[in-house]
Amino acid sequence: EAQVTQNPRYLITVTGKKLTVTCSQNMNHEYMSWYRQDPGLGLRQIYYSMNVEVTDKGDVPEGYKVSRKEKRNFPLILESPSPNQTSLYFCASSRARYGTYEQYFGPGTRLTVT
Amino acid sequence: KQEVTQIPAALSVPEGENLVLNCSFTDSAIYNLQWFRQDPGKGLTSLLLIQSSQREQTSGRLNASLDKSSGRSTLYIAASQPGDSATYLCAVNSGGSNYKLTFGKGTLLTVNP
Repeated sequence: EAQVTQNPRYLITVTGKKLTVTCSQNMNHEYMSWYRQDPGLGLRQIYYSMNVEVTDKGDVPEGYKVSRKEKRNFPLILESPSPNQTSLYFCASSRARYGTYEQYFGPGTRLTVT
Repeated sequence: KQEVTQIPAALSVPEGENLVLNCSFTDSAIYNLQWFRQDPGKGLTSLLLIQSSQREQTSGRLNASLDKSSGRSTLYIAASQPGDSATYLCAVNSGGSNYKLTFGKGTLLTVNP
């Protein structure tokens, strides 16, 4: 089954404790992206990757890092989480050709930073 | 900067009604538009994708239209069911270097039995 998976689905952590949210897709998609969803603000792009070793900032990259060492994986790293990073996070993927392809989203990771 | 607005923010209808959800966007230079469904606290399920060259797409009881020149899209749901209750999100892909989707804030649909 074609899908985007994220782990963990739920995470409660404390300020400053480094964490990684994994994202994996089995559709051989070149493009992957991270969004966060907050009440009243909607979904905003954090980082994106057009292919292996090619990443760039989205609209709200502060406090996050990413890497793309393999085509299927695009982990989101919070090196020193803060309470304002409490949010619902989504990973997305699609083929990358002129941006015309449907984007597929993972199930989300609900992160709480205390 | 692309902005996406969805009206109404919430809608409550009795089961069986046909309904229309609206989406408008400020910049008509788009690659495509996607409609998503989101259940409470859950992920985004893609419902329909309309390319910029298309006028409409259909899937089962859903029909989405696109009028790029006026910056509007509608999602028509026929014969609504309680299982259709969810938040419906419209997202525009304006292309560029990041394929970013600009989302509306959604319409919360409640279908009452």
